[in-house]
Amino acid sequence: DAGVTQSPTHLIKTRGQQVTLRCSPKSGHDTVSWYQQALGQGPQFIFQYYEEEERQRGNFPDRFSGHQFPNYSSELNVNALWLGDSALYLCASSLRQGGLALHFGNGTRLTVT
Amino acid sequence: ILNVEQSPQSLHVQEGDSTNFTCSFPSSNFYALHWYRWETAKSPEALFVMTLNGDEKKKGRISATLNTKEGYSYLYIKGSQPEDSATYLCAFMGMKTSYDKVIFGPGTSLSVIP
Repeated sequence: DAGVTQSPTHLIKTRGQQVTLRCSPKSGHDTVSWYQQALGQGPQFIFQYYEEEERQRGNFPDRFSGHQFPNYSSELNVNALWLGDSALYLCASSLRQGGLALHFGNGTRLTVT
Repeated sequence: ILNVEQSPQSLHVQEGDSTNFTCSFPSSNFYALHWYRWETAKSPEALFVMTLNGDEKKKGRISATLNTKEGYSYLYIKGSQPEDSATYLCAFMGMKTSYDKVIFGPGTSLSVIP
């Protein structure tokens, strides 16, 4: 039973560049949420996708966008990277009409220089 | 803005000690309260999801209680072991349109000294 997988594991980008992070949800899950975890903080909610639409959004600028594909996998795109975007990006999947617990991937560590 | 708080920020205990942490959350529009354990170099793992006021959940030496009226939850670890060393996160889910937005607290970092 495949868990949540994220790619890449690490990424280094330069300020102003764009980045795409990818997530495959746990088998059977249909909902994907993205979180940003900066040092010393808890995971901050970015947005959630269900049925290929953004359903909920946290307090993040429009530079952060996403997509969900018919196979439930998801991408997080960040444009015009800032130094402050350096963080661990976590993907979590869940089943909308099922248990409430989130299942997390190992994250993508993004460093912006 | 939803605010989920946890205390203490960090904790160092001796092996065999029992310990507990607190999570505070909004008492209105409550839907569910989650607890996760996050070990270094791993992904966060769900411990409990609680939905009812007065809920108590137990998993081995770890247990949790929930008070939705006053907006707090306690996580207890009995007889701490080195493998319990991790960051413990609580997370709040609100009602209706925001029910599926899970908001995390900053976490409590536990170190168990052998």
